[in-house]
Formats: sequence, structure tokens, C-alpha cells
Amino acid sequence: GAVVSQHPSRVICKSGTSVKIECRSLDFQATTMFWYRQFPKKSLMLMATSNEGSKATYEQGVEKDKFLINHASLTLSTLTVTSAHPEDSSFYICSATPLGGGRRADTQYFGPGTRLTVL
Amino acid sequence: GDSVTQMEGPVTLSEEAFLTINCTYTATGYPSLFWYVQYPGEGLQLLLKATKADDKGSNKGFEATYRKETTSFHLEKGSVQVSDSAVYFCALINTGGFKTIFGAGTRLFVKA
Repeated sequence: GAVVSQHPSRVICKSGTSVKIECRSLDFQATTMFWYRQFPKKSLMLMATSNEGSKATYEQGVEKDKFLINHASLTLSTLTVTSAHPEDSSFYICSATPLGGGRRADTQYFGPGTRLTVL
Repeated sequence: GDSVTQMEGPVTLSEEAFLTINCTYTATGYPSLFWYVQYPGEGLQLLLKATKADDKGSNKGFEATYRKETTSFHLEKGSVQVSDSAVYFCALINTGGFKTIFGAGTRLFVKA
């Protein structure tokens, strides 16, 4: 159990276009979903924390107008990279915390990640 | 700020060899410490965790002990298998419990 999916797994887009990445908890309801970005040979960097029905909380240095996060339901959060540029190319990973865990992050289930390449 | 440092990889071992992946941390307060594993093509999975000093987390033959005096949480396994080949991430959650700080990850290759 506790499966988190991401779609798409890979996406290639042209500079200036927008890309939407979906994160779904398949067999549980998620109070909180986290979005991370991973650079090659680097650790996962938390971008934002989203709670269902409320605005996402962005980490310092992350542009909220560029990385739009919508947590529309207890099983779905989306990350939209707007006006993508080559420097946005990266591996984006989401995770979800089950309902009842509050906002604590010590129980997280991770998606397999989405590889974004911006040409 | 809080940070996690783990040994750079890749680490290449023969099957049944002893594994140690070093991890040290810097944090205020009393963080919880974690090891996650990422198998090829899959998401991160929690391998083990420890929530207070001197706790030992263990799972699937892996162990790590929360050492507050040395701010370390080294991962060990007595006899690795080919199926242990993966990327291992050390992580901490700060006292508030809202944000996970990850190390850079260590790739492990186990040869038959």
C-alpha cells in the first residue's frame, strides 16, 4: 500500500511553454504533499509544501509565480512550471503524508519522479 | 541552517561484503534521522529511522544508530546482496517536523 504516482514520468518541452506535473496518492488520502527538485548528483531540495484546500508554502528562493502548485483534493496535487526555460530542467519529485499525520513530514511516501527537459 | 552530509559515491562492493555509508548532520534541537533508499526507476522508500539519541533503526539487515555526541547516523549492513544496489539518502526532519533535509545520496553497486 501507500503508493504515490507521478505523471508524466518524462517530459520534453520548448522554452517558454508551461508544463503540468501530477502527483497522486493512489490508495490513501494525503493531508500534505511536498514537492522536491533534484539536481544531478545533488540532494533533494524542498520547493514547497501544499495542503489540500489552502495555498502552498514555498521555500525561500522558489518563485511561486513560476512554480504553481494546486492541491485540489486529498489525492491530487499538481505542479505547473510556467514559461519554462532550460535552467528549469531537472528531476521533480513529490511525496505525500497520509491523512491523520497532520503536517508532520516523518511519514512520507514518494513518487517515482518526473524528468523535465526544456529545450 | 540544518544540513546533512553523506559520503560521496559510488560505492562498489562484492556480494556479502560489509557496508558502511557515513552520514553526519548539523541541526538545532533534536531532529529525527532517516535513511531512504531509491531503487532504479522507483520512488524513495523509507529504509529506517531513529527519533532520539542512542536509538537504533533497523530494517532488512540494515542498521543505523543515532549518535548525538558525534552527530552521526551511519548506515551499516553486514552482508550486502546484489539486490541492495540502489541510491541511499540520509535525511533529517527538524524539530518542527515540517521539512525534510536530505543528503546528496550515495549510489551503491553490489557485484555478484
